[in-house]
Amino acid sequence: AQSVTQLGSHVSVSEGALVLLRCNYSSSVPPYLFWYVQYPNQGLQLLLKYTSAATLVKGINGFEAEFKKSETSFHLTKPSAHMSDAAEYFCALNGDGGFKTIFGAGTRLFVKA
Amino acid sequence: KAGVTQTPRYLIKTRGQQVTLSCSPISGHRSVSWYQQTPGQGLQFLFEYFSETQRNKGNFPGRFSGRQFSNSRSEMNVSTLELGDSALYLCASSWGLAELTDTQYFGPGTRLTVL
Repeated sequence: AQSVTQLGSHVSVSEGALVLLRCNYSSSVPPYLFWYVQYPNQGLQLLLKYTSAATLVKGINGFEAEFKKSETSFHLTKPSAHMSDAAEYFCALNGDGGFKTIFGAGTRLFVKA
Repeated sequence: KAGVTQTPRYLIKTRGQQVTLSCSPISGHRSVSWYQQTPGQGLQFLFEYFSETQRNKGNFPGRFSGRQFSNSRSEMNVSTLELGDSALYLCASSWGLAELTDTQYFGPGTRLTVL
């Protein structure tokens, strides 16, 4: 069965500090992985996606993620946090049992001034 | 290009009532999926429609149903509402042509409160 695990339900960083949100996956087929961001009272916005073309994927708002097959990980990073990055972040992958996306539990990012 | 739209954005109902939520996908997208988001259970897949046919269904009771129209717009219905149905209901659309590479784009959601 496929699954996504996000380590840490809450992460707090200072403004200007490195952001690192962790995601590990389990999949029996080559995974297509996604990071979404959700701001309060809004839907999910696609940050970036891994489609096997390159292991380092750049997304919007300065975020990037690196796919590491040996570690079954797809961690999200940003060199310098902004206050506007405070939101909830979801790692996800496409299921092989039909058209559906499997989501991790989410990580809420807090940015301190 | 317009994004996914959902109506209404907010809804308050009482137990036992039924509710219908609407979703209009991105132009050209033929797949529409629905998800329920709650603080306790996170994001859970409800069902997916493509060309007016349900292709996949999550583990929800029969009170939850959906349909898709010929213009790809979709509705979901919840009958006999329970307090536990209070949630943010998210709709997502995609091309729906390749299972593993499909990318879903989400609407703003409908916040349902059951009293």
